[in-house]
Amino acid sequence: DQQVKQNSPSLSVQEGRISILNCDYTNSMFDYFLWYKKYPAEGPTFLISISSIKDKNEDGRFTVFLNKSAKHLSLHIVPSQPGDSAVYFCAARVLLTGANSKLTFGKGITLSVRP
Amino acid sequence: DAGITQSPRHKVTETGTPVTLRCHQTENHRYMYWYRQDPGHGLRLIHYSYGVKDTDKGEVSDGYSVSRSKTEDFLLTLESATSSQTSVYFCATKFQESSYNEQFFGPGTRLTVL
Repeated sequence: DQQVKQNSPSLSVQEGRISILNCDYTNSMFDYFLWYKKYPAEGPTFLISISSIKDKNEDGRFTVFLNKSAKHLSLHIVPSQPGDSAVYFCAARVLLTGANSKLTFGKGITLSVRP
Repeated sequence: DAGITQSPRHKVTETGTPVTLRCHQTENHRYMYWYRQDPGHGLRLIHYSYGVKDTDKGEVSDGYSVSRSKTEDFLLTLESATSSQTSVYFCATKFQESSYNEQFFGPGTRLTVL
């Protein structure tokens, strides 16, 4: 049962244009959402996050939008650059007993930015 | 960069042999995690630790055990490796539970079970 879904496995965008990466979730208990970026042969690196009580968070070229009623979030990259070509994972946090938490990841989207 | 190293970085082993992967961190982070990454599955949590000697299971824990005898080291053991455990394994750490929640990842270990 995939609780975090990234339904498009890949996206190709022209350099300078906007990249929009989508993510859907099913668990209403998720309270925090994160995006990670991963280059081949490296570990994922944190990109940007958003609390479930907000609908937008911006950091430079990266903006994450959250539509809680639709259980949908998206990552916008503008302008896209060739160095943004990577796999992007959407992740969601849920609190566990004992005040710990865990992240549930989507399958990832491979973004290719064409020069 | 949270100073996370994983060893070995690559390993080829045979079915039925025991394998131990090591994660070492220098940041004194409280939380440590083991994930596996497989095509079509993304990252899946195997086990995690919320302190020395405190561990718990993730979503794909069958066939794996962990130990954390000191803050900086988190070991993942495959008692008897199977071909289905061929994967890329990532360790991650987190300083504490907070509103920020960023996990820092190591470079990964590619394990092949023949």
